[in-house]
Amino acid sequence: AQSVTQPDIHITVSEGASLELRCNYSYGATPYLFWYVQSPGQGLQLLLKYFSGDTLVQGIKGFEAEFKRSQSSFNLRKPSVHWSDAAEYFCAAFYNQGGKLIFGQGTELSVKP
Amino acid sequence: DGGITQSPKYLFRKEGQNVTLSCEQNLNHDAMYWYRQDPGQGLRLIYYSQIVNDFQKGDIAEGYSVSREKKESFPLTVTSAQKNPTAFYLCASSSGTGGPGELFFGEGSRLTVL
Repeated sequence: AQSVTQPDIHITVSEGASLELRCNYSYGATPYLFWYVQSPGQGLQLLLKYFSGDTLVQGIKGFEAEFKRSQSSFNLRKPSVHWSDAAEYFCAAFYNQGGKLIFGQGTELSVKP
Repeated sequence: DGGITQSPKYLFRKEGQNVTLSCEQNLNHDAMYWYRQDPGQGLRLIYYSQIVNDFQKGDIAEGYSVSREKKESFPLTVTSAQKNPTAFYLCASSSGTGGPGELFFGEGSRLTVL
């Protein structure tokens, strides 16, 4: 079955440190891939997306993600985390077969001062 | 400003009551979606509609109903048949022009059953 896995439920990093959030999608045809961010009690905002082409994609707020077909991964990175980055992050995949956006379970990011 | 408006933001319901959550968009998007969010479970699709007067069940449609009489509106009714309705509900829309799967979200409605 098509699925998206975010192995880390909760991550804590210090402000200024680098960040990597992991995301794996079920193998098969490459889906369209997304990262969304959600602040508490709010809706989701698109950070970045990958459809094809360059495997390193840049997004808003200084985030980037790298698509690795061999690992079925689409990990989100940021070189230096700010306190305002504390939020929940969702990886999502859209498979043409099925025609639905499938979300991972989310990773909650806490930032230490 | 274009966007998606969900109302109410907070709603309390007694067991056995139906409740309707409103979702309105002025983005001129064809497709609209309802998701349910529970802690640690990500977002699960309840219903979606790709065109007016048509909608499909998602993964957890039991106990919910929708209508799509206008392009701008996609209300969700949580019926008394929904066994565990307390959750955060998110409405989203998509034009498809940004690419398949790119969704725009409202700010959500939190439903609590007393």
